Amino acid sequence: QQQVKQSPQSLIVQKGGISIINCAYENTAFDYFPWYQQFPGKGPALLIAIRPDVSEKKEGRFTISFNKSAKQFSLHIMDSQPGDSATYFCAAIPRTGNQFYFGTGTSLTVIP
Amino acid sequence: GAGVSQTPSNKVTEKGKYVELRCDPISGHTALYWYRQSLGQGPEFLIYFQGTGAADDSGLPNDRFFAVRPEGSVSTLKIQRTERGDSAVYLCASSSLAGVYTGELFFGEGSRLTVL
Repeated sequence: QQQVKQSPQSLIVQKGGISIINCAYENTAFDYFPWYQQFPGKGPALLIAIRPDVSEKKEGRFTISFNKSAKQFSLHIMDSQPGDSATYFCAAIPRTGNQFYFGTGTSLTVIP
Repeated sequence: GAGVSQTPSNKVTEKGKYVELRCDPISGHTALYWYRQSLGQGPEFLIYFQGTGAADDSGLPNDRFFAVRPEGSVSTLKIQRTERGDSAVYLCASSSLAGVYTGELFFGEGSRLTVL
């Protein structure tokens, strides 16, 4: 059973546009929500993360929006650049911290 | 080294053979994870070590899979009697104790296992 549902599976955005990736979860035991970026042939790398008591977190061009009541969170990439082309994974961490549950990934392509 | 190191980067084996995959975490990181990533999928949890002991091995798919971390640093994932369905990229990640709760996992580049 997929603990974290992610959409869309793939996304094509024009350079300068906004990329939006959505995730949803059911388990209220999740306590932290990171996003990872993965380039081909590399391991995932932490991009940005948010706690459920915060509705939004921004770091540069990357923003996480969090809706605790709806159990949904999303990643917004502003002014998308070709170098942002990668696969993005949302994840959820339970309070025990022993497992990270990853979404199925979104392949982002930013067209110059 | 500065990052998480995994060897081999690629392993091709025949069905039924035994395979060992090695992970050298970032120095000082007490937490170590093994994940499996199939094509087009997100990483799937296998096992989590805190120090030398397996704190959570609930993700290991069956008893053909086993992992050790005898001195609390390097870890080895062992797969017996490999099957074609074991083909995937096996990712290792390490973290400080605090990073476990904040998503600060540092992943290696993975070991791509192909079972013919």
